[in-house]
Amino acid sequence: EPEVTQTPSHQVTQMGQEVILRCVPISNHLYFYWYRQILGQKVEFLVSFYNNEISEKSEIFDDQFSVERPDGSNFTLKIRSTKLEDSAMYFCASRPASRYEQYFGPGTRLTVT
Amino acid sequence: AQSVTQPDIHITVSEGASLELRCNYSYGATPYLFWYVQSPGQGLQLLLKYFSGDTLVQGIKGFEAEFKRSQSSFNLRKPSVHWSDAAEYFCAVGEIAAGNKLTFGGGTRVLVKP
Repeated sequence: EPEVTQTPSHQVTQMGQEVILRCVPISNHLYFYWYRQILGQKVEFLVSFYNNEISEKSEIFDDQFSVERPDGSNFTLKIRSTKLEDSAMYFCASRPASRYEQYFGPGTRLTVT
Repeated sequence: AQSVTQPDIHITVSEGASLELRCNYSYGATPYLFWYVQSPGQGLQLLLKYFSGDTLVQGIKGFEAEFKRSQSSFNLRKPSVHWSDAAEYFCAVGEIAAGNKLTFGGGTRVLVKP
């Protein structure tokens, strides 16, 4: 069964550094998402992406964040200058055009020190 | 704005006993509703979904959920819990709009006693 994959599983970075989190969505899916879960808090929506552009973004998704689909398979989330409060589990999700259920990857745990 | 409330943060249940997890939502139109499960160290796995039609929906792993519009609820049930059901369970409402973002509840952590 196809799955969403994410790399790395755990990333440690210093405050102010740039990080890129990578996702490979399920191959025939057209809608892509990033969510995050700060330890002990709810899973929060960050951004949705369709047809090579952002469909919607939350207020968390400020100028420090960007997303890209650099080729036909990867979907990336970049944080330009990380802050301590960016420490969280980041989940990628995707869905096909014809259905509304989103399929999630295993997550990348980002630790900013 | 849509919101989801899961009133129970923790539930402890004996193996073989029944389980019911509560979920209340707030949404302006007919919602798309989902239950996801997260096992330790794992991602979010879709258990079941409701879009329309029959208000009792069946999912994977023997779970079912019932949509009650009058109560704005979508409670998850399982008749007989197995030790492997110990996990965190999230209810979510999906927006019927361009981004189709999901709004999650705070989760309910289920512990299973032998």
